[in-house]
Amino acid sequence: GQNIDQPTEMTATEGAIVQINCTYQTSGFNGLFWYQQHAGEAPTFLSYNVLDGLEEKGRFSSFLSRSKGYSYLLLKELQMKDSASYLCAVRASGGSYIPTFGRGTSLIVHP
Amino acid sequence: DAGVIQSPRHEVTEMGQEVTLRCKPISGHNSLFWYRQTMMRGLELLIYFNNNVPIDDSGMPEDRFSAKMPNASFSTLKIQPSEPRDSAVYFCASGSREGSMETQYFGPGTRLLVL
Repeated sequence: GQNIDQPTEMTATEGAIVQINCTYQTSGFNGLFWYQQHAGEAPTFLSYNVLDGLEEKGRFSSFLSRSKGYSYLLLKELQMKDSASYLCAVRASGGSYIPTFGRGTSLIVHP
Repeated sequence: DAGVIQSPRHEVTEMGQEVTLRCKPISGHNSLFWYRQTMMRGLELLIYFNNNVPIDDSGMPEDRFSAKMPNASFSTLKIQPSEPRDSAVYFCASGSREGSMETQYFGPGTRLLVL
């Protein structure tokens, strides 16, 4: 089976940097996704990593290590509006496109 | 662009009734996804279309669920007959996939309540 682990909740201070980790155990690997979801709203796609390394998009960066089954989402210069749930999802190999989602990390940014 | 459009935004129905959810993807996107989200199960991908063709429907929970994409600008997700446990928010997303690059844009969702 597939297993995705992320912390349930994190808190951070406005202006700081926060790293949200995601570890996975899957039967093969064919891509990892990060999404942001504010309460009561639709998810927003943040990143897709299929190769090892760091990908940067403005204040958000996503890192992947396939050998370690590990990814993180790095948020810099935190803003209050970054308070949201962050979902990690992993797609296993073997022909299925359907990813397995983690339960999400609720990030609370305080002044 | 108006983004991904879903209708209806809210649906309340009685158990046993047929429910049809609709989605208009962003023009030019070649991928379309239907998701379901509940407190109990979290976010789940139900089915993925590429160029209007269903590529993977292994996430569809039961035969009561079916999805179609008759053309590049329209897709439906149908539940027949509906059951109370189908109550959830259903999201449609469209996107593109080229090599190692992939993007997705979500619609606002349809909140379904089956009584």
